[in-house]
Amino acid sequence: EAGVAQSPRYKIIEKRQSVAFWCNPISGHATLYWYQQILGQGPKLLIQFQNNGVVDDSQLPKDRFSAERLKGVDSTLKIQPAKLEDSAVYLCASSGQGHGYTFGSGTRLTVV
Amino acid sequence: GDSVTQMEGPVTLSEEAFLTINCTYTATGYPSLFWYVQYPGEGLQLLLKATKADDKGSNKGFEATYRKETTSFHLEKGSVQVSDSAVYFCALSEGARGGADGLTFGKGTHLIIQP
Repeated sequence: EAGVAQSPRYKIIEKRQSVAFWCNPISGHATLYWYQQILGQGPKLLIQFQNNGVVDDSQLPKDRFSAERLKGVDSTLKIQPAKLEDSAVYLCASSGQGHGYTFGSGTRLTVV
Repeated sequence: GDSVTQMEGPVTLSEEAFLTINCTYTATGYPSLFWYVQYPGEGLQLLLKATKADDKGSNKGFEATYRKETTSFHLEKGSVQVSDSAVYFCALSEGARGGADGLTFGKGTHLIIQP
């Protein structure tokens, strides 16, 4: 079974620029999550999708962050404009009926 | 809201020592509890879980028991190895809303095992 795929692995941008991350979950997993992991902290849930609908986006900074899940499969997370404090690893995870969470390897974002 | 508190690191032990990493939680309902491990340069991996009170999760010699009365889920291992060096995260999930809820994580505990 293929894992959760994320790209890119690394990204360096200047503050006020925009950036997008992509996630392809495990085939058949209905639930997809985006987490933000700042250095030295545990991951924080940003948004949860069930198929292509949003279940929880209460911790998503909606003035600069947006996310969509196209046709209930792939997902993109966008930041526009980026701030220095957005430097973190962005993790995608998916889960399906009767299955636990599977995390991707993450995208490490550095904002300079 | 939900929260997870785990002991600060780094925790440094000698090989074959006994390990305990403390974890306590605050939740409004009856959460499922998890331990995740992050080895250097790798992604998060589920180590073990427990879904109801008094359940014991175990894997790779690690154990943790869901204690509702003390709202705790401490991680233990009887004899650690150098290969156990990693960051360990305690986490909880409140459960189903048409699917699994998102996880609330602690800050992580960096474990260093010296030969």
